[in-house]
Amino acid sequence: GQQLNQSPQSMFIQEGEDVSMNCTSSSIFNTWLWYKQDPGEGPVLLIALYKAGELTSNGRLTAQFGITRKDSFLNISASIPSDVGIYFCAVNQGGSEKLVFGKGTKLTVNP
Amino acid sequence: DADVTQTPRNRITKTGKRIMLECSQTKGHDRMYWYRQDPGLGLQLIYYSFDVKDINKGEISDGYSVSRQAQAKFSLSLESAIPNQTALYFCATSRGDTQYFGPGTRLTVL
Repeated sequence: GQQLNQSPQSMFIQEGEDVSMNCTSSSIFNTWLWYKQDPGEGPVLLIALYKAGELTSNGRLTAQFGITRKDSFLNISASIPSDVGIYFCAVNQGGSEKLVFGKGTKLTVNP
Repeated sequence: DADVTQTPRNRITKTGKRIMLECSQTKGHDRMYWYRQDPGLGLQLIYYSFDVKDINKGEISDGYSVSRQAQAKFSLSLESAIPNQTALYFCATSRGDTQYFGPGTRLTVL
């Protein structure tokens, strides 16, 4: 099956710092998604990207759909303690609603 | 009230026991999914259902079975639980690209 390479696996940062994480694949996809999982809860969609080169923001979060359609990155600016959690990239397989998820980036923010 | 609910939230069982995890949704979505989450491995798809009469295997269906009792209900069964099925299990529904996840069931098999 399709594999997404998500990095880094974990990050430990100080409050106020900016964060960047990315996801790559050997295959081309038409949709890239970023989800966040708060501790003890299920993942929630943060940002959806549908066009190569697209840059989309959601508050302090910014995500980009790579021009090659094989990668995406997520940036968080001025991190705060509630940014703690696991961030997953995901892609839509072949037009179905079935998603493939990356292995996640676990973010820890020290106050 | 939550749109996607899972019961139980936590379960400890013994090797060889039959276990059923239940999922209900009030979103009116046709598409439902069961995932397993292990530390460092992300979310792996076990089974999915695009409507009541449609059931499909995901990446890791061995050792699991499902039942779609109604549009709103999708159950996951472990016929004979084994320790390496200890994990966090999530149910989800979808419309378009957005999947809506339940709060998860933490299953421990001793």
